Amino acid sequence: GAGVSQTPSNKVTEKGKYVELRCDPISGHTALYWYRQSLGQGPEFLIYFQGTGAADDSGLPNDRFFAVRPEGSVSTLKIQRTERGDSAVYLCASSWGQGTDTQYFGPGTRLTVL
Amino acid sequence: AQSVAQPEDQVNVAEGNPLTVKCTYSVSGNPYLFWYVQYPNRGLQFLLKYITGDNLVKGSYGFEAEFNKSQTSFHLKKPSALVSDSALYFCAVSGLTSGNTPLVFGKGTRLSVIA
Repeated sequence: GAGVSQTPSNKVTEKGKYVELRCDPISGHTALYWYRQSLGQGPEFLIYFQGTGAADDSGLPNDRFFAVRPEGSVSTLKIQRTERGDSAVYLCASSWGQGTDTQYFGPGTRLTVL
Repeated sequence: AQSVAQPEDQVNVAEGNPLTVKCTYSVSGNPYLFWYVQYPNRGLQFLLKYITGDNLVKGSYGFEAEFNKSQTSFHLKKPSALVSDSALYFCAVSGLTSGNTPLVFGKGTRLSVIA
């Protein structure tokens, strides 16, 4: 079946602009995660959805970052007033929802803020 | 809080030789441990996980990992390395200490298999 998909694959924007990154999880997966991977680092957790609600947003670095999942499937990560430090690969993962369940990752969106 | 350490940034091994990529963890409660592999410009691919039961876990592409509770380790192993195994490997833990399930990743180990 289809895996996790993310669009766009690459996004270049200017400092101060607004961006949206989209994630389509595996069909039927109730849990959806966003991670951010900076160069030379492992992925770092941003936010986790169980269904439509954000179960844990403790990883969001500040209030410029926001994510939604209105129908419990597709999710959008929104970044306002982008800064050069936001440049990274943004990864989305989905799972059936339990802690022991495998998280399956999408290919990521590479965000570059000029 | 959960944490994972991958003490080696780089591991080099000759093709056909056994390989080991090291991982140690710190977590309150029972650890759920995962290994992922990342190829250039690709997302993370799941290799294997330890939840409970047998300490030796077998996964994809001939990889296996051994859970050692006393040493808090979960080293990734393969009996005979292939050039195609060259990639970035991440160990991760989910400790469920706060009831949620995000993964905490190590910094990654780059494996280079030389023909």
